[in-house]
Amino acid sequence: DAKTTQPPSMDCAEGRAANLPCNHSTISGNEYVYWYRQIHSQGPQYIIHGLKNNETNEMASLIITEDRKSSTLILPHATLRDTAVYYCIVSFSGSARQLTFGSGTQLTVLP
Amino acid sequence: GAVVSQHPSWVICKSGTSVKIECRSLDFQATTMFWYRQFPKQSLMLMATSNEGSKATYEQGVEKDKFLINHASLTLSTLTVTSAHPEDSSFYICSAREDRRHYGYTFGSGTRLTVV
Repeated sequence: DAKTTQPPSMDCAEGRAANLPCNHSTISGNEYVYWYRQIHSQGPQYIIHGLKNNETNEMASLIITEDRKSSTLILPHATLRDTAVYYCIVSFSGSARQLTFGSGTQLTVLP
Repeated sequence: GAVVSQHPSWVICKSGTSVKIECRSLDFQATTMFWYRQFPKQSLMLMATSNEGSKATYEQGVEKDKFLINHASLTLSTLTVTSAHPEDSSFYICSAREDRRHYGYTFGSGTRLTVV
């Protein structure tokens, strides 16, 4: 699976949009981009995923560049409860594929 | 949505004893489940892949005789830490994905193991 690079930490003001970048320059054509987050001492939570097109759900939006070498997770209106470590993971689909976690980005939402 | 139930959420045990952690997929079937370990301020590290009805696949450096995995049904996988030592103290997390879906792994809430 392709490796990802994320900034180790970011701050965001409450109510503002949080934009979390991820580089995955070695991604292959069939690999998806997944985003998970982990709130302290809890299991990771699925946020969103995409292959080529931008995606949006009730939690966030995922913007993938045309060359697919990077992506941005957008939390449109960050709240204090969004403070967590956010992981960008690139992986093939398929039920037997494990997810390989990098170091992620610690997002701190400030009041 | 899919829910994975993990028990216990925390456990304290004495050195040399064994501890069993359960991971259940609620209202969905999971042929494959994954076990991760997370040390403080570190990321999740995959320990093993649990396959229903067959032997687990362990990552390099993980002792299969120490971390026993049993995946006896499509909804239950167990991890037993045998002869636990203080260095086994960690946060253990399981993960599963509904067989009919091709995305969206669901994670358990984790088990905090402290060996004293």
